[in-house]
Amino acid sequence: AQKVTQAQTEISVVEKEDVTLDCVYETRDTTYYLFWYKQPPSGELVFLIRRNSFDEQNEISGRYSWNFQKSTSSFNFTITASQVVDSAVYFCALSELGTALIFGKGTTLSVSS
Amino acid sequence: GAVVSQHPSWVICKSGTSVKIECRSLDFQATTMFWYRQFPKQSLMLMATSNEGSKATYEQGVEKDKFLINHASLTLSTLTVTSAHPEDSSFYICSARQGTAGELFFGEGSRLTVL
Repeated sequence: AQKVTQAQTEISVVEKEDVTLDCVYETRDTTYYLFWYKQPPSGELVFLIRRNSFDEQNEISGRYSWNFQKSTSSFNFTITASQVVDSAVYFCALSELGTALIFGKGTTLSVSS
Repeated sequence: GAVVSQHPSWVICKSGTSVKIECRSLDFQATTMFWYRQFPKQSLMLMATSNEGSKATYEQGVEKDKFLINHASLTLSTLTVTSAHPEDSSFYICSARQGTAGELFFGEGSRLTVL
């Protein structure tokens, strides 16, 4: 069965600090996809990244970076030099081929100025 | 990128009434659509998987007679909350898949408040 664990419920940082959001997943399939979404207070889900199980290359996009390690079943997300606008709930999600996304419980990030 | 649109964005209704939420894929054909529910400060929970032209598959614990899902075309799925009660107040989000293993796109969500 699929499972996504985001152990950090809430994180508070001060602007310009780096912050890492952890995500650990479980799946029996060899083909699967991992996602990160941002959900601001308005509620809509903002897509951040999708990774397939065969691509372990780390990714950097501006201040965002992702570290995918199959050996530890983790897909962690780091925000460098955090900003107040980064405050939101962040969800890690997993889908196996053709299935729905299963979400973790989310991590609420609060960035203060 | 592909767009999935939900309507209405928010709705307030009286207890006992039924509410219909639409999910449309605007620029692609969606063979499969998914419906999620999100209670305040909680995660998104999958309610059902909707395949065009066939009956929806509901997750355990979701009442299929209460949450009616219709996926009559490749661009439209509807969720009807029948005889709504205050405990059905929630944020409902749909997603649509492009093809069988393609990208998954989310709608903006519909916030239901039952008085």
